[in-house]
Amino acid sequence: GQNIDQPTEMTATEGAIVQINCTYQTSGFNGLFWYQQHAGEAPTFLSYNVLDGLEEKGRFSSFLSRSKGYSYLLLKELQMKDSASYLCSVLGGNTPLVFGKGTRLSVIA
Amino acid sequence: DSGVTQTPKHLITATGQRVTLRCSPRSGDLSVYWYQQSLDQGLQFLIQYYNGEERAKGNILERFSAQQFPDLHSELNLSSLELGDSALYFCASSSTFGRNAEAFFGQGTRLTVV
Repeated sequence: GQNIDQPTEMTATEGAIVQINCTYQTSGFNGLFWYQQHAGEAPTFLSYNVLDGLEEKGRFSSFLSRSKGYSYLLLKELQMKDSASYLCSVLGGNTPLVFGKGTRLSVIA
Repeated sequence: DSGVTQTPKHLITATGQRVTLRCSPRSGDLSVYWYQQSLDQGLQFLIQYYNGEERAKGNILERFSAQQFPDLHSELNLSSLELGDSALYFCASSSTFGRNAEAFFGQGTRLTVV
């Protein structure tokens, strides 16, 4: 099976940088995804990692270490609109896309 | 707009009833996922179809069933509804099964059981 862990809640200040960690255990590995979800809305895709290293996309970056079963999402220059839940999800060897419980990020002034 | 369409957007029904939720995937996507999200909870995987066939099953109750039709749209049937079934139900689609299978989500159906 798969197990995905991420912190439940985080708070950060507008303009700052925040790192949201995700650890996972999976049989086989076909990639790790990060999604953003505002309350009551659909999740939207942020990033995809399948090889070790850092993927940068504007203010958002995502890092993966397959040997450690670890990923993080880095959000820079935080804005109030970044207040949302961030979902880590893993695609296993022959398993569907499963999600962690998500990290609720609150950005404060 | 993700290209995934879910209907209805809202549904209010009584305990014991049966409802059907519908999902039309993005054009060309063969894989459809169904997820349940209760208040302040994560996305719980229910079931996945790929090109009309069931591919994976999560913690889906026996009262729930789904299918994917030849035109690739999918339906999730929920029967003998209980208060605890009240949740957001999301459908997602992806173009492949496996690598780089980024999933696109519909806007969800909010089910309220009273």
